[in-house]
Amino acid sequence: GQNIDQPTEMTATEGAIVQINCTYQTSGFNGLFWYQQHAGEAPTFLSYNVLDGLEEKGRFSSFLSRSKGYSYLLLKELQMKDSASYLCAVRDLSGGYNKLIFGAGTRLAVHP
Amino acid sequence: EAGVAQSPRYKIIEKRQSVAFWCNPISGHATLYWYQQILGQGPKLLIQFQNNGVVDDSQLPKDRFSAERLKGVDSTLKIQPAKLEDSAVYLCASSPPGQVLYFGPGTRLTVT
Repeated sequence: GQNIDQPTEMTATEGAIVQINCTYQTSGFNGLFWYQQHAGEAPTFLSYNVLDGLEEKGRFSSFLSRSKGYSYLLLKELQMKDSASYLCAVRDLSGGYNKLIFGAGTRLAVHP
Repeated sequence: EAGVAQSPRYKIIEKRQSVAFWCNPISGHATLYWYQQILGQGPKLLIQFQNNGVVDDSQLPKDRFSAERLKGVDSTLKIQPAKLEDSAVYLCASSPPGQVLYFGPGTRLTVT
């Protein structure tokens, strides 16, 4: 089966840096995605990792270690608008087709 | 490029009634997904289509839920009869095969 764990809630200060961790277990790993979801809205794509290492995209970076089943999303220079849920999702190929499985999400609150 | 369209955006029904949701994916996207997101949880995959064929419906409660994707484009998801625990946001997403998922705005269903 599959299992994805991430912290339920985090708080941070405007202008600071925050790291959201995600650990996963899956038999057919084929990539890891991070999505952002503001309250009452649909998830929007942030980043994708399939190889080990760091992917940087502006203020957001995502890291993957396949051997450890671990990823993190790093948000720099936090802004109030970054208050949202951050969903870690694993793409699994164990059934012979790509299936995207989501974690429960981490609710990030950015305060002044 | 137009995004994923869904309707209705909101629906309130009584338990044991039926309801249907509609989704129009991004043009050219072969893969279409229906996810259920209960408040405070991550999206859960209900059914995944590749063109007009079902790839995965292992988590679809088939005694009450049904979905179809005629002609490999639009899709409908139906619940009959609804239960209180079906209250959730129903998200439709589409993607080219093996690529990033793009979500529609969702349908918020309340069952009373």
